[in-house]
Amino acid sequence: QSALTQPASVSGSPGQSITISCTGTSSDIASYNYVSWFQQHPGKAPKLMIYEVSNRPSGVSYRFSGSKSGNTASLTISGLQAEDEADYYCTSYTSSTTYVFGTGTKVTVL
Amino acid sequence: QVQLVQSGAEVKKPGGSVKVSCKASGYTFTDYYFHWVRQAPGQGLEWMGWINPHSGGTISAQKFQGRVTLTRDTSISTAYLEVTSLRSDDTAVYFCVGTRYEGRFDPWGQGTRVTVSS
Repeated sequence: QSALTQPASVSGSPGQSITISCTGTSSDIASYNYVSWFQQHPGKAPKLMIYEVSNRPSGVSYRFSGSKSGNTASLTISGLQAEDEADYYCTSYTSSTTYVFGTGTKVTVL
Repeated sequence: QVQLVQSGAEVKKPGGSVKVSCKASGYTFTDYYFHWVRQAPGQGLEWMGWINPHSGGTISAQKFQGRVTLTRDTSISTAYLEVTSLRSDDTAVYFCVGTRYEGRFDPWGQGTRVTVSS
């Protein structure tokens, strides 16, 4: 199972919106709504930001939203803030009853 | 609150094995599946496998099959990851993470650093 494809880096100015893509295949993203997104700051454990494509856990800012179209999922961060600077990973359930992570995206706030 | 606490850092020699523990608290142990995820230095997250704490059933990523064993001890609310035939590229931080519902990876343990070096 190959890793899902994410852009290596995305940047934006404070207040702007950015979108991170996560591209998979017909065996993962396209077939299941178990797509999640994680935020990871250096030296920390990942934090769940979105689950089941577009649901936010309690305590996660409304500025984070998720969507999916075909074999590509997306995470949008609106009203970008300095604290959003981190690495972001997607993951999807697969037809092998396993999971696969994305390659990761470094978000930089200019 | 729901919490996962992992065992401490390990240094192992190539060819050896390591066993990492993940102790759960704050909830009924069998309510959450345990997944294991690793992250090599400067690299991304890699899903390794999961264990059903109720039945003990496991699924592992194909690349780890034969080298990774997932177990649990329900009497002490602890899950374990054992990796054998260690290589230098197994050097990584290993995380356990709970899922009560499919795909909802939360909570995460603090991570266990495993260094494989001669």
